[in-house]
Amino acid sequence: KAGVTQTPRYLIKTRGQQVTLSCSPISGHRSVSWYQQTPGQGLQFLFEYFSETQRNKGNFPGRFSGRQFSNSRSEMNVSTLELGDSALYLCASSLEVGTSYNSPLHFGNGTRLTVT
Amino acid sequence: AQSVTQPDIHITVSEGASLELRCNYSYGATPYLFWYVQSPGQGLQLLLKYFSGDTLVQGIKGFEAEFKRSQSSFNLRKPSVHWSDAAEYFCAVGAGTGANNLFFGTGTRLTVIP
Repeated sequence: KAGVTQTPRYLIKTRGQQVTLSCSPISGHRSVSWYQQTPGQGLQFLFEYFSETQRNKGNFPGRFSGRQFSNSRSEMNVSTLELGDSALYLCASSLEVGTSYNSPLHFGNGTRLTVT
Repeated sequence: AQSVTQPDIHITVSEGASLELRCNYSYGATPYLFWYVQSPGQGLQLLLKYFSGDTLVQGIKGFEAEFKRSQSSFNLRKPSVHWSDAAEYFCAVGAGTGANNLFFGTGTRLTVIP
């Protein structure tokens, strides 16, 4: 079974631009979560989508948004990029919304975003 | 509020030696606890998880972890380290049912010397 797939692997953008990252969950997984990983702040939860609805949201500004499609694939968008948005963005999928023993998070390899 | 502390930023062990990575959590109820491993340039791989029941949890790659409620700890152990275990290890606590927002520790980087 294929794992969580994130595209692209690397992105370089300029401050002020916007960016869209894509995530395909493991087949059969219906929940997709996004995390930001930086050296200074570590791993931080952005949001979780299930059945095309945002179910949970972390403490990030409104410039960070996402959506989920009917096939469970998800995209996240960051508008008006700032230098501090440079990070590894990790997507994770699970069978159902929320944490459970039979539905842990499985992570993709991430998209490395560099803002110059 | 949930939080996780990994007091060791960097640990170096010799190949074949035993390993223990420390993790302390803060959570009001019974926690959901996880250990993930991240190799350079890769995502996070789930090593093991604890939700309830037996306090000694077995995971993949020969790892195990022990949940100690009295010490609010969930330390990761391996009896004999292999060079391929060199990576960064993250402990995480779940926010509870209905949410997939895990709270991660800052990670422990493991170096294995031959």
